[in-house]
Amino acid sequence: DTEVTQTPKHLVMGMTNKKSLKCEQHMGHRAMYWYKQKAKKPPELMFVYSYEKLSINESVPSRFSPECPNSSLLNLHLHALQPEDSALYLCASSRLAGGRSSYNEQFFGPGTRLTVL
Amino acid sequence: DAKTTQPTSMDCAEGRAANLPCNHSTISGNEYVYWYRQIHSQGPQYIIHGLKNNETNEMASLIITEDRKSSTLILPHATLRDTAVYYCIVRVASAANTGTASKLTFGTGTRLQVTL
Repeated sequence: DTEVTQTPKHLVMGMTNKKSLKCEQHMGHRAMYWYKQKAKKPPELMFVYSYEKLSINESVPSRFSPECPNSSLLNLHLHALQPEDSALYLCASSRLAGGRSSYNEQFFGPGTRLTVL
Repeated sequence: DAKTTQPTSMDCAEGRAANLPCNHSTISGNEYVYWYRQIHSQGPQYIIHGLKNNETNEMASLIITEDRKSSTLILPHATLRDTAVYYCIVRVASAANTGTASKLTFGTGTRLQVTL
């Protein structure tokens, strides 16, 4: 199984709503990532989890709150978002560096398309 | 991580080879070249990576110049399904057994359109 799944596929929320995005992988990867992608722009890294602990936060506003409850799941909790936060949110996972290869490719999910009204 | 420069867009006829260039003139000796692609409405997909030797896998070939300042991704027989945005990324490889995650910084990429 080399699949990263994300739910929901689409989400529309108001600025006062609280919602969560979910990501799941069963490849035994111990690194998981959240990216944000605006229309016609490249993906931008938001957060990285290594061994279920937050290792990188790319200065993301606190209205985005990541959570990694176990090695297979990654959540992104959303609260008080702004219309400019509308984007495609991508989850990815990878092995951590180790073994013979010093690079481990990232596997991406299909994304959640978020619209903030 | 070194910055990359890619053409904004390219066209290729189906069945022909697609050659996608990438300039990374400031690359350091310990930095690898990676290629990902993103088909419309999908997440990015890893294609190939290399350090200084040419590399080939079932998807593509990667040709890196001797001075490592540029590289070319080659799709030998492009199909309509290869229409996508192709990203060239340069980054330092994590040291083995460090347990570190691989951070990717995407540039603007090349939009490849494969036509009949």
